[in-house]
Amino acid sequence: DTEVTQTPKHLVMGMTNKKSLKCEQHMGHRAMYWYKQKAKKPPELMFVYSYEKLSINESVPSRFSPECPNSSLLNLHLHALQPEDSALYLCASSQKSKTGAQQYFGPGTRLTVT
Amino acid sequence: GESVGLHLPTLSVQEGDNSIINCAYSNSASDYFIWYKQESGKGPQFIIDIRSNMDKRQGQRVTVLLNKTVKHLSLQIAATQPGDSAVYFCAENGRYGGATNKLIFGTGTLLAVQP
Repeated sequence: DTEVTQTPKHLVMGMTNKKSLKCEQHMGHRAMYWYKQKAKKPPELMFVYSYEKLSINESVPSRFSPECPNSSLLNLHLHALQPEDSALYLCASSQKSKTGAQQYFGPGTRLTVT
Repeated sequence: GESVGLHLPTLSVQEGDNSIINCAYSNSASDYFIWYKQESGKGPQFIIDIRSNMDKRQGQRVTVLLNKTVKHLSLQIAATQPGDSAVYFCAENGRYGGATNKLIFGTGTLLAVQP
């Protein structure tokens, strides 16, 4: 199984809502990632988890809160988002967190903030 | 009207022709490079990778060339098919201040295959 799954596929939320994005992989990977992708732009790294611990936070605003409950799951909790946060949110995983490890991406969650 | 920055570089090829997509990377310390294909509405899909101790690597219908002297990466697709139409991203994976597996993506190229 070389699949990363993400739910929901689409999400529309108001600026006062609280919602969560979920990501799951069963490849035994120990590193997981959140990326944000705007239209016609490359993915931008947000967070990296290595062995269930946050290892990189790319200066992401606190209205985005990641969580790694176990080695297979990665969540992104959203609160008080702004319309400019509308984007495709991609989850990825890799076997290890060191350089040279291929990252496998999920299909993404299309988020619209109204 | 259209805004600056909303246009991806586009490569338009005829079905059956060979395609070459180019990418310049920024960090001479990068030691691993990946090409991803992203179709509309989907996440990036791995195509091929290459390590900095290699100049060339071949896969099925694809070849990646690495020129470390000029920090240039290219992806060659043989006998391009309509299913190859997508946005292609190169990504470099280097040691940024000790950080671990951090991918930096290029701007992307839209490959449009004409039947």
